[in-house]
Amino acid sequence: DTAVSQTPKYLVTQMGNDKSIKCEQNLGHDTMYWYKQDSKKFLKIMFSYNNKELIINETVPNRFSPKSPDKAHLNLHINSLELGDSAVYFCASSHRTSGSLETQYFGPGTRLLVL
Amino acid sequence: GQQLNQSPQSMFIQEGEDVSMNCTSSSIFNTWLWYKQDPGEGPVLLIALYKAGELTSNGRLTAQFGITRKDSFLNISASIPSDVGIYFCAGRHTGNQFYFGTGTSLTVIP
Repeated sequence: DTAVSQTPKYLVTQMGNDKSIKCEQNLGHDTMYWYKQDSKKFLKIMFSYNNKELIINETVPNRFSPKSPDKAHLNLHINSLELGDSAVYFCASSHRTSGSLETQYFGPGTRLLVL
Repeated sequence: GQQLNQSPQSMFIQEGEDVSMNCTSSSIFNTWLWYKQDPGEGPVLLIALYKAGELTSNGRLTAQFGITRKDSFLNISASIPSDVGIYFCAGRHTGNQFYFGTGTSLTVIP
């Protein structure tokens, strides 16, 4: 009954490789996000999709490309991985109920280490 | 992107003590959320606040939406060892973007 799930949990790869991280939510939410958490634990928004449409795209290298095949999935593909990409990547989802009440739920994270 | 200021940055307290932390923003928010992150896990939502002045509790946790709408507070009463973790605040204006605080690391000494 996992609400927001991510795969893989750990990802160790060589510099220059291309990799993907997958995210799925079973909450029926209409908005999904990717965050990057660095070694100082700062959480930075990368992308947000609402109903499969990109609505937030922070200053992120274009080596990072999100893809949302449907409302329940938001995948993150990273080309030409660099050492500085090493971090924990969190997927999250949210849904705005009536009256603009909104909460956001996070996945367990993907720990990416680029060697 | 905007980052909210949380204080204190870290706390070391004895088991049984009460804890207070706050989060401030330079702009007004319509929603405040408080999360706890355990080591190796994702942030878990603790409390959501939607109205200025609102005071909401979740067990030993109580959070308040500041009346200026530029700040929020989290209190933990009678701390226990499992309260250890990093606590994050997050705020939202309108739209879908949440802005996160810098985090407060809590250590509870048995």
